[in-house]
Amino acid sequence: ILNVEQSPQSLHVQEGDSTNFTCSFPSSNFYALHWYRWETAKSPEALFVMTLNGDEKKKGRISATLNTKEGYSYLYIKGSQPEDSATYLCAFASGTYKYIFGTGTRLKVLA
Amino acid sequence: NAGVTQTPKFRILKIGQSMTLQCTQDMNHNYMYWYRQDPGMGLKLIYYSVGAGITDKGEVPNGYNVSRSTTEDFPLRLELAAPSQTSVYFCASSPRDRGNEQFFGPGTRLTVL
Repeated sequence: ILNVEQSPQSLHVQEGDSTNFTCSFPSSNFYALHWYRWETAKSPEALFVMTLNGDEKKKGRISATLNTKEGYSYLYIKGSQPEDSATYLCAFASGTYKYIFGTGTRLKVLA
Repeated sequence: NAGVTQTPKFRILKIGQSMTLQCTQDMNHNYMYWYRQDPGMGLKLIYYSVGAGITDKGEVPNGYNVSRSTTEDFPLRLELAAPSQTSVYFCASSPRDRGNEQFFGPGTRLTVL
């Protein structure tokens, strides 16, 4: 059974703090790793799609890294703002079209 | 572009009833997906389609059926609703394969009593 784990499950940070989350996934049959941002009462929105070992992606204050050999990805947020409060999901895409989502990291940024 | 639209937004069903959750996308995406999201759980893939006329099972297909007669539409059918199917259902689409981001609809909240 394929499993994708995210940690921590939730965290609270102060405005201006930097933070990071982890997504662990199977290291075999890898095709892509997705990160999504999911605000309450909205739909998930894509942040990054990474396909190559060593990939680093950046969008504003948010960045992500990928290690396919050991099966993990980090998402970093620099200088967190209240509007960054959301659940951050990762999804592992295998060589057989299927996506396995983690349960997410719920971030709350306190003003 | 409206993106991915889903109807209805909310629905309450009685055990044994059937219904179809509608999903339409106007981005000409070949790939479409149905997920369910239960409290404390990640999104679980129910069915997916890689193009009109082609569908396949995901992780949790039991109790559901799908069809894909056009590129735009990917309805999800519940034949005999059960309380275990109480969930929030999301439809998503992507232009090509797993290397492309998915675009999600707003979701349908279904309660089976």
